[in-house]
Amino acid sequence: EDKVVQSPLSLVVHEGDTVTLNCSYEVTNFRSLLWYKQEKKAPTFLFMLTSSGIEKKSGRLSSILDKKELSSILNITATQTGDSAIYLCAVEVSGESKYIFGTGTRLKVLA
Amino acid sequence: DGGITQSPKYLFRKEGQNVTLSCEQNLNHDAMYWYRQDPGQGLRLIYYSQIVNDFQKGDIAEGYSVSREKKESFPLTVTSAQKNPTAFYLCASSISRQTEQYFGPGTRLTVT
Repeated sequence: EDKVVQSPLSLVVHEGDTVTLNCSYEVTNFRSLLWYKQEKKAPTFLFMLTSSGIEKKSGRLSSILDKKELSSILNITATQTGDSAIYLCAVEVSGESKYIFGTGTRLKVLA
Repeated sequence: DGGITQSPKYLFRKEGQNVTLSCEQNLNHDAMYWYRQDPGQGLRLIYYSQIVNDFQKGDIAEGYSVSREKKESFPLTVTSAQKNPTAFYLCASSISRQTEQYFGPGTRLTVT
């Protein structure tokens, strides 16, 4: 059975801290891995990763895929209260055109 | 403005009633998806559609039905056969495969 596991489930940090969120997957035919941020309602897209070892970066956020380890990490440096959200990882399964989501990591950044 | 709209935001129904959740997009996306989100369980795929007049069951399709008569619209019906319908429902669309999904604001359904 295809699955995506995220860790930790929740995390509380203080402003300025750096956090690393993990996503591991077991799928039959991997196509891509995506990260989303969900603050209140609709998840918003952060990154799509298809190639191993290539870091994607946007401001204080960065992510990298390790196909050998079947995992990805999302790093947030110099965290701010506005980073408080649920971070979702999803894997696209090739041939089925669908995405399998992890349970998410709930991040809370304290001022 | 381009985007995905879902209506209503909140929906209350009595047990045994069917209810239809609306999802419309003006992004000209081919693919559309319905997910259900429960606390601590992430997003689970209910149905998805790659093109008009075609759709596939996701992982938890039992008790749900969909239609895709127009490219812009992908309504979801929660039938009385769905045992635990109370949840947050999210609709999404994407240009095609291997592209990111854009999500609507969601509909919170409560069945009592």
